[in-house]
Amino acid sequence: NAGVTQTPKFQVLKTGQSMTLQCAQDMNHEYMSWYRQDPGMGLRLIHYSVGAGITDQGEVPNGYNVSRSTTEDFPLRLLSAAPSQTSVYFCASSHKLLGLNEQFFGPGTRLTVL
Amino acid sequence: GENVEQHPSTLSVQEGDSAVIKCTYSDSASNYFPWYKQELGKRPQLIIDIRSNVGEKKDQRIAVTLNKTAKHFSLHITETQPEDSAVYFCAASTGTGTASKLTFGTGTRLQVTL
Repeated sequence: NAGVTQTPKFQVLKTGQSMTLQCAQDMNHEYMSWYRQDPGMGLRLIHYSVGAGITDQGEVPNGYNVSRSTTEDFPLRLLSAAPSQTSVYFCASSHKLLGLNEQFFGPGTRLTVL
Repeated sequence: GENVEQHPSTLSVQEGDSAVIKCTYSDSASNYFPWYKQELGKRPQLIIDIRSNVGEKKDQRIAVTLNKTAKHFSLHITETQPEDSAVYFCAASTGTGTASKLTFGTGTRLQVTL
């Protein structure tokens, strides 16, 4: 199993550009989440999904969109990037019996918005 | 919502000494408390967790204690080794299944010196 994979590993955007961060998992986990990690602020939940076709907002959802058309994939879209979205983004998945609690994280995407 | 505070933000210990990291949480309904370790440039990984019906849990050199009355929990690492150097995050979760969400602390950078 590859576990949770994310692409790209690094990305530089200009203010106003859009892009999609990709996340995929091959563990047949129902739950998937996106977090952002900023220095001194820990990991903050952006959006999450409890199954295909179901998404919900986390702590910091503004400026981000998600969709979940399959169990395996959970892309994160930035519609109009802003410098405040410079961060490291982690995707995570977990088994439905454990809820969102025991998270398996992907390797992360380091995003810089100029 | 839940608020998790973590102390200290940095901790330096000599190899072989013990390290203790403390977290407090605000929501008395929280029932699951994991600890994640993140090495430099890597993804967070679950190292130990405890549920609200247990006061202490141990796994080799690491242990976690929970005081529900005081709403705090701690990570204890004994006989520290250089490979323990990393950032450690505590988290708290309320609910089960689709209602569960993790709130993370801001992290503790542990440095184990020779």
